Amino acid sequence: AQSVTQLGSHVSVSEGALVLLRCNYSSSVPPYLFWYVQYPNQGLQLLLKYTSAATLVKGINGFEAEFKKSETSFHLTKPSAHMSDAAEYFCAVSDGTGGFKTIFGAGTRLFVKA
Amino acid sequence: KAGVTQTPRYLIKTRGQQVTLSCSPISGHRSVSWYQQTPGQGLQFLFEYFSETQRNKGNFPGRFSGRQFSNSRSEMNVSTLELGDSALYLCASRGGGRNNEQFFGPGTRLTVL
Repeated sequence: AQSVTQLGSHVSVSEGALVLLRCNYSSSVPPYLFWYVQYPNQGLQLLLKYTSAATLVKGINGFEAEFKKSETSFHLTKPSAHMSDAAEYFCAVSDGTGGFKTIFGAGTRLFVKA
Repeated sequence: KAGVTQTPRYLIKTRGQQVTLSCSPISGHRSVSWYQQTPGQGLQFLFEYFSETQRNKGNFPGRFSGRQFSNSRSEMNVSTLELGDSALYLCASRGGGRNNEQFFGPGTRLTVL
């Protein structure tokens, strides 16, 4: 069975500081991994995805994530936080087979202080 | 290309009633998945439809059902509503291939009184 654990339900950073949102996964097969962002009263928007190509994945809005198989991690980072990054972030895993099913983490709410 | 659309955006029902939510996927997408999002339980997978067939199902009671039409539009039905069914219901569509990227709609906010 697949699962996702996001460490920290809330993360607060100052504007301009490094953003690090942690995600660990469990999967019995090579996983597909995703990070999504959700702004208030909106659906989820894909930030980036890992599909077994490069282990360092670059996404939109300056975010990137590194797939580390040995640590079963897929942490999301951004060098410099902006006020507009304040939102909820979800890590997700899929086994990529037919009968598609994505498991989401509990989410991490990012606060950005001026 | 138009995105995933969901109707209605907001809905208020009372306990015991039933509700039907609609989702129109991105043109050409044949897979539609439904999720329930609540503050306590987070995002939970309800079911996925592909070419009018339910291909996968989450752990929800039988009161939750869905269907998909030949044009890939999907509906989700919840019967005998309970207070705990109050949630944001998200629909996501996916194209072919193995990239497995889902595109989400804005959701339907259901409030059960």
